[in-house]
This record gives sequence, C-alpha cells and structure tokens, in this order.
Amino acid sequence: QKEVEQNSGPLSVPEGAIASLNCTYSDRGSQSFFWYRQYSGKSPELIMFIYSNGDKEDGRFTAQLNKASQYVSLLIRDSQPSDSATYLCAVPPYASGGSYIPTFGRGTSLIVHP
Amino acid sequence: NAGVTQTPKFQVLKTGQSMTLQCAQDMNHNSMYWYRQDPGMGLRLIYYSASEGTTDKGEVPNGYNVSRLNKREFSLRLESAAPSQTSVYFCASSAGTGPHSPLHFGNGTRLTVT
Repeated sequence: QKEVEQNSGPLSVPEGAIASLNCTYSDRGSQSFFWYRQYSGKSPELIMFIYSNGDKEDGRFTAQLNKASQYVSLLIRDSQPSDSATYLCAVPPYASGGSYIPTFGRGTSLIVHP
Repeated sequence: NAGVTQTPKFQVLKTGQSMTLQCAQDMNHNSMYWYRQDPGMGLRLIYYSASEGTTDKGEVPNGYNVSRLNKREFSLRLESAAPSQTSVYFCASSAGTGPHSPLHFGNGTRLTVT
C-alpha cells in the first residue's frame, strides 16, 4: 500500500461547482501536507500547503487537514475549465538523518466541463 | 530567474546506451531531487541530495546513479538504459529537507528507451 493514497478519478464537475479532492496518508508523524497542480505535459506547481488541523483558504482554494483521521483534502470553489488538471497530494514523512522527503500520491485527474 | 533547469527536454535511447540528465537550480537551494513519473504511478523518488556533498537513495534507485556536482547542479546517470526506464524525469529543489519546504520542479525530460 502506497503511503499516500488518492482516488485517480477522473473527477468531473460542472463549471461553477465545488470540486473536492481527497488524500489519505499512513505516517502519523507527518507534519506538513502539500497540494500540487499538474497540467498535461507540464511540471507540478505548488498551489497549497497546510500543517495545522483545520482549514486554510487561499482564494478559491481551501485545504482541510484532519490529523486524527489522517486525511487532507483540497476544495476548489467556483471551478473553472482552467482548473482541469491532475492534483497531486504530497506528504513528507520523516526519513533518516532528520530529513522529510516528499512522497506523492498518484494524483487525481479533475475535469471541469462548461 | 530561471528556477530549475533540466536538459535535455526529450531523449531517445537504445537499450544498453548510457546518458546523463542534467539539472541546475539558481535559487540557492540546499536540497535537490530526482523523480520519475509513469502513467498511473504518480511521482516516485529516485535519489535525493539533502545538501551539497550528500546523496541518498529513494524509492526506485536501481539502474541509476547521481552526482551532486556543486550546490547548483545535480545530475542523474543511466549507465545501461532499459525499456523499463522509459518515463518522464523531473528534477526538483527545495530550500532544505525540513517538513515545511515545498519542491520547485524543472520542466522535465521525456525519455524513451527502445
């Protein structure tokens, strides 16, 4: 079982709706959680990070973290066709020597249709 | 500000050939990484360098070697390419390997081994 799990999708939502992307992780010692967006044929780019329980909002994006249940989610409000991409969840578990090396989920493909 | 630069962008090799993928960053980051991305598999860590002078294996290191040439440059070498190494390779860097350091990615190298 991969340490970071995501539903591969595709998740299809209509324009203007809320898209909800979920991620679960196995390492209870993980301290921070990242969401990257990857357009087809492009490299991943950071869109959100969170390290405290609860919600963190940035524009149309909200990250939600529940450490007790070991899941982190990303909500995209007022979804636009330009949000169509693959969303990667990254969790850096503790590695040897004091390093936290990001482990990625397989990514969820989001399709926003007009 | 170029960020993370990878060369080449595309490469086709025959089985058994060798090549080196180059990566350089101009953000004065301490840590650098090589990931590969295959359909349905997400990003998998090959090797990383937490700081200049150190390298460590990731999840899928077999068939690869790395060199942290200096603080800016981190190369990935395939000594004897195999079809299973057909993939998209991403170099990334971060300020450090602490839990709150996001990754900055290069544009990727698309490698085909025939």
